[in-house]
Amino acid sequence: EADIYQTPRYLVIGTGKKITLECSQTMGHDKMYWYQQDPGMELHLIHYSYGVNSTEKGDLSSESTVSRIRTEHFPLTLESARPSHTSQYLCASSTHLGGQGENEQFFGPGTRLTVL
Amino acid sequence: KQEVTQIPAALSVPEGENLVLNCSFTDSAIYNLQWFRQDPGKGLTSLLLIQSSQREQTSGRLNASLDKSSGRSTLYIAASQPGDSATYLCAVEDSSYKLIFGSGTRLLVRP
Repeated sequence: EADIYQTPRYLVIGTGKKITLECSQTMGHDKMYWYQQDPGMELHLIHYSYGVNSTEKGDLSSESTVSRIRTEHFPLTLESARPSHTSQYLCASSTHLGGQGENEQFFGPGTRLTVL
Repeated sequence: KQEVTQIPAALSVPEGENLVLNCSFTDSAIYNLQWFRQDPGKGLTSLLLIQSSQREQTSGRLNASLDKSSGRSTLYIAASQPGDSATYLCAVEDSSYKLIFGSGTRLLVRP
Protein backbone atom coordinates (compact mmCIF):
# COMPACT_ATOMS: atom_id res chain seq x y z
CA GLU A 1 0.00 0.00 0.00
CA ALA A 2 1.39 3.40 -0.99
CA ASP A 3 1.95 5.54 2.08
CA ILE A 4 4.29 7.85 3.97
CA TYR A 5 5.93 6.64 7.18
CA GLN A 6 7.68 8.38 10.05
CA THR A 7 9.69 6.81 12.86
CA PRO A 8 9.82 7.09 15.73
CA ARG A 9 6.35 8.39 16.53
CA TYR A 10 7.48 9.61 19.95
CA LEU A 11 11.00 10.36 21.19
CA VAL A 12 12.17 11.62 24.58
CA ILE A 13 15.86 12.36 24.69
CA GLY A 14 18.41 14.26 26.76
CA THR A 15 20.14 17.49 25.81
CA GLY A 16 23.20 17.10 23.60
CA LYS A 17 22.20 13.82 21.95
CA LYS A 18 22.31 13.34 18.20
CA ILE A 19 19.01 12.19 16.72
CA THR A 20 17.70 11.25 13.30
CA LEU A 21 14.02 11.35 12.44
CA GLU A 22 13.12 8.97 9.64
CA CYS A 23 10.68 9.62 6.81
CA SER A 24 9.95 7.23 3.96
CA GLN A 25 7.32 7.21 1.24
CA THR A 26 6.33 4.43 -1.10
CA MET A 27 4.42 6.61 -3.56
CA GLY A 28 7.34 7.45 -5.84
CA HIS A 29 6.97 11.17 -5.17
CA ASP A 30 9.88 13.37 -6.17
CA LYS A 31 9.19 16.23 -3.75
CA MET A 32 9.46 15.84 0.02
CA TYR A 33 9.11 18.27 2.92
CA TRP A 34 9.73 18.64 6.66
CA TYR A 35 7.50 20.86 8.80
CA GLN A 36 7.76 21.84 12.45
CA GLN A 37 4.65 22.43 14.52
CA ASP A 38 4.44 23.52 18.15
CA PRO A 39 1.24 22.52 20.01
CA GLY A 40 -1.72 24.56 18.83
CA MET A 41 0.43 26.57 16.46
CA GLU A 42 0.94 26.85 12.71
CA LEU A 43 3.01 24.52 10.58
CA HIS A 44 6.31 25.96 9.43
CA LEU A 45 8.37 24.56 6.56
CA ILE A 46 11.95 23.84 7.66
CA HIS A 47 13.36 21.76 4.76
CA TYR A 48 12.31 20.54 1.34
CA SER A 49 13.66 18.53 -1.54
CA TYR A 50 12.76 18.41 -5.22
CA GLY A 51 14.52 15.10 -5.81
CA VAL A 52 17.62 13.04 -5.13
CA ASN A 53 20.62 15.15 -4.02
CA SER A 54 18.41 18.25 -3.83
CA THR A 55 17.78 19.89 -0.44
CA GLU A 56 16.69 23.41 0.45
CA LYS A 57 16.03 25.30 3.67
CA GLY A 58 12.48 26.34 4.34
CA ASP A 59 10.94 29.51 5.65
CA LEU A 60 11.66 28.78 9.32
CA SER A 61 15.30 28.67 10.33
CA SER A 62 16.24 25.31 11.81
CA GLU A 63 19.44 23.84 13.23
CA SER A 64 18.51 20.48 11.74
CA THR A 65 19.92 19.07 8.51
CA VAL A 66 18.45 16.74 5.89
CA SER A 67 19.68 14.45 3.15
CA ARG A 68 18.06 12.92 0.05
CA ILE A 69 20.17 10.05 -1.21
CA ARG A 70 17.21 7.93 -2.28
CA THR A 71 13.90 9.06 -3.72
CA GLU A 72 11.86 7.38 -1.03
CA HIS A 73 13.90 8.45 2.01
CA PHE A 74 14.26 11.95 3.56
CA PRO A 75 15.78 11.78 7.07
CA LEU A 76 16.18 14.80 9.37
CA THR A 77 19.11 15.02 11.78
CA LEU A 78 19.79 17.11 14.86
CA GLU A 79 23.48 16.93 15.80
CA SER A 80 22.96 18.16 19.37
CA ALA A 81 19.40 18.25 20.64
CA ARG A 82 18.28 21.09 22.93
CA PRO A 83 15.02 21.72 24.82
CA SER A 84 14.16 24.40 22.24
CA HIS A 85 13.92 21.61 19.64
CA THR A 86 10.93 20.12 21.47
CA SER A 87 8.13 20.07 18.91
CA GLN A 88 6.20 17.91 16.47
CA TYR A 89 7.94 17.22 13.17
CA LEU A 90 5.80 16.35 10.17
CA CYS A 91 7.07 14.90 6.91
CA ALA A 92 5.20 15.21 3.62
CA SER A 93 5.60 14.28 -0.02
CA SER A 94 3.86 15.55 -3.10
CA THR A 95 2.84 14.39 -6.52
CA HIS A 96 2.51 16.53 -9.60
CA LEU A 97 -1.10 16.88 -10.73
CA GLY A 98 -0.32 17.71 -14.32
CA GLY A 99 -1.10 21.39 -14.34
CA GLN A 100 1.54 24.11 -14.08
CA GLY A 101 3.24 23.71 -10.72
CA GLU A 102 0.31 21.95 -9.15
CA ASN A 103 1.05 19.37 -6.49
CA GLU A 104 -0.96 17.61 -3.82
CA GLN A 105 0.82 17.02 -0.52
CA PHE A 106 0.39 13.95 1.66
CA PHE A 107 1.53 13.88 5.27
CA GLY A 108 3.01 11.28 7.56
CA PRO A 109 1.76 10.75 11.14
CA GLY A 110 4.48 12.94 12.67
CA THR A 111 7.20 12.52 15.29
CA ARG A 112 6.67 14.17 18.65
CA LEU A 113 10.11 15.08 20.02
CA THR A 114 10.77 16.04 23.63
CA VAL A 115 14.25 17.14 24.64
CA LEU A 116 14.85 17.21 28.38
CA LYS B 1 4.76 37.55 0.99
CA GLN B 2 1.79 35.19 0.96
CA GLU B 3 -0.26 35.16 4.15
CA VAL B 4 -3.13 32.80 4.88
CA THR B 5 -5.79 33.62 7.46
CA GLN B 6 -8.51 31.37 8.81
CA ILE B 7 -11.66 32.53 10.52
CA PRO B 8 -12.97 31.65 13.03
CA ALA B 9 -10.07 30.38 15.13
CA ALA B 10 -12.45 28.13 17.06
CA LEU B 11 -16.02 26.99 16.57
CA SER B 12 -18.39 24.94 18.71
CA VAL B 13 -21.66 23.70 17.22
CA PRO B 14 -24.33 21.14 18.13
CA GLU B 15 -24.46 17.93 16.16
CA GLY B 16 -26.40 18.14 12.91
CA GLU B 17 -25.63 21.76 12.09
CA ASN B 18 -24.26 22.85 8.75
CA LEU B 19 -21.19 25.04 9.08
CA VAL B 20 -18.75 27.11 7.06
CA LEU B 21 -15.06 27.61 7.66
CA ASN B 22 -13.32 30.53 5.98
CA CYS B 23 -9.86 30.92 4.53
CA SER B 24 -8.33 34.01 2.90
CA PHE B 25 -4.99 34.58 1.21
CA THR B 26 -3.20 37.76 0.21
CA ASP B 27 -1.59 36.76 -3.11
CA SER B 28 -3.92 35.37 -5.76
CA ALA B 29 -1.01 33.82 -7.70
CA ILE B 30 -1.55 30.33 -6.30
CA TYR B 31 -1.41 26.94 -8.01
CA ASN B 32 -3.91 25.23 -5.74
CA LEU B 33 -5.55 25.30 -2.35
CA GLN B 34 -5.80 22.32 -0.02
CA TRP B 35 -7.99 21.74 3.01
CA PHE B 36 -6.62 19.40 5.66
CA ARG B 37 -7.90 17.90 8.87
CA GLN B 38 -5.63 17.40 11.89
CA ASP B 39 -6.58 15.43 14.98
CA PRO B 40 -4.72 16.26 18.24
CA GLY B 41 -1.11 15.11 18.14
CA LYS B 42 -1.51 13.55 14.71
CA GLY B 43 -0.48 14.27 11.15
CA LEU B 44 -2.57 15.97 8.48
CA THR B 45 -5.21 14.26 6.39
CA SER B 46 -5.92 15.80 3.02
CA LEU B 47 -9.64 16.50 2.60
CA LEU B 48 -9.99 18.42 -0.64
CA LEU B 49 -7.72 20.02 -3.20
CA ILE B 50 -8.96 22.74 -5.54
CA GLN B 51 -6.74 23.45 -8.51
CA SER B 52 -6.30 27.09 -9.52
CA SER B 53 -8.55 26.63 -12.55
CA GLN B 54 -11.40 25.13 -10.50
CA ARG B 55 -14.15 26.79 -8.48
CA GLU B 56 -15.14 23.99 -6.11
CA GLN B 57 -14.63 20.39 -5.06
CA THR B 58 -16.93 18.03 -3.20
CA SER B 59 -16.31 14.91 -1.14
CA GLY B 60 -19.19 13.41 0.77
CA ARG B 61 -20.49 15.98 3.27
CA LEU B 62 -17.65 18.38 2.45
CA ASN B 63 -17.69 21.09 -0.19
CA ALA B 64 -14.86 23.53 -0.77
CA SER B 65 -15.04 26.61 -2.95
CA LEU B 66 -12.31 28.84 -4.32
CA ASP B 67 -12.50 32.45 -5.49
CA LYS B 68 -8.93 33.10 -6.54
CA SER B 69 -9.46 36.70 -7.62
CA SER B 70 -10.77 37.72 -4.21
CA GLY B 71 -8.36 35.48 -2.31
CA ARG B 72 -10.98 33.42 -0.52
CA SER B 73 -12.00 29.83 0.05
CA THR B 74 -14.71 28.24 2.14
CA LEU B 75 -15.13 24.74 3.49
CA TYR B 76 -18.74 23.75 3.98
CA ILE B 77 -19.52 20.80 6.25
CA ALA B 78 -23.06 19.48 6.05
CA ALA B 79 -24.87 17.72 8.90
CA SER B 80 -21.91 17.90 11.29
CA GLN B 81 -21.09 14.92 13.52
CA PRO B 82 -18.99 14.60 16.70
CA GLY B 83 -16.42 12.71 14.64
CA ASP B 84 -15.86 15.89 12.64
CA SER B 85 -14.26 17.51 15.70
CA ALA B 86 -10.68 18.39 14.73
CA THR B 87 -8.57 21.30 13.53
CA TYR B 88 -9.13 22.23 9.91
CA LEU B 89 -6.21 23.77 8.04
CA CYS B 90 -6.20 25.66 4.78
CA ALA B 91 -3.02 25.89 2.68
CA VAL B 92 -2.13 27.42 -0.68
CA GLU B 93 0.63 26.23 -2.98
CA ASP B 94 2.99 28.94 -4.18
CA SER B 95 5.19 28.98 -7.28
CA SER B 96 7.97 27.05 -5.48
CA TYR B 97 5.73 24.01 -4.80
CA LYS B 98 5.59 25.04 -1.15
CA LEU B 99 2.44 25.12 0.95
CA ILE B 100 1.66 28.20 3.04
CA PHE B 101 -0.61 27.28 5.92
CA GLY B 102 -3.20 29.18 7.90
CA SER B 103 -3.33 28.79 11.67
CA GLY B 104 -6.42 26.60 11.49
CA THR B 105 -9.97 26.48 12.84
CA ARG B 106 -10.54 24.25 15.87
CA LEU B 107 -13.97 22.65 15.47
CA LEU B 108 -15.93 20.99 18.26
CA VAL B 109 -19.18 19.26 17.37
CA ARG B 110 -21.19 18.63 20.54
CA PRO B 111 -23.38 15.49 20.73
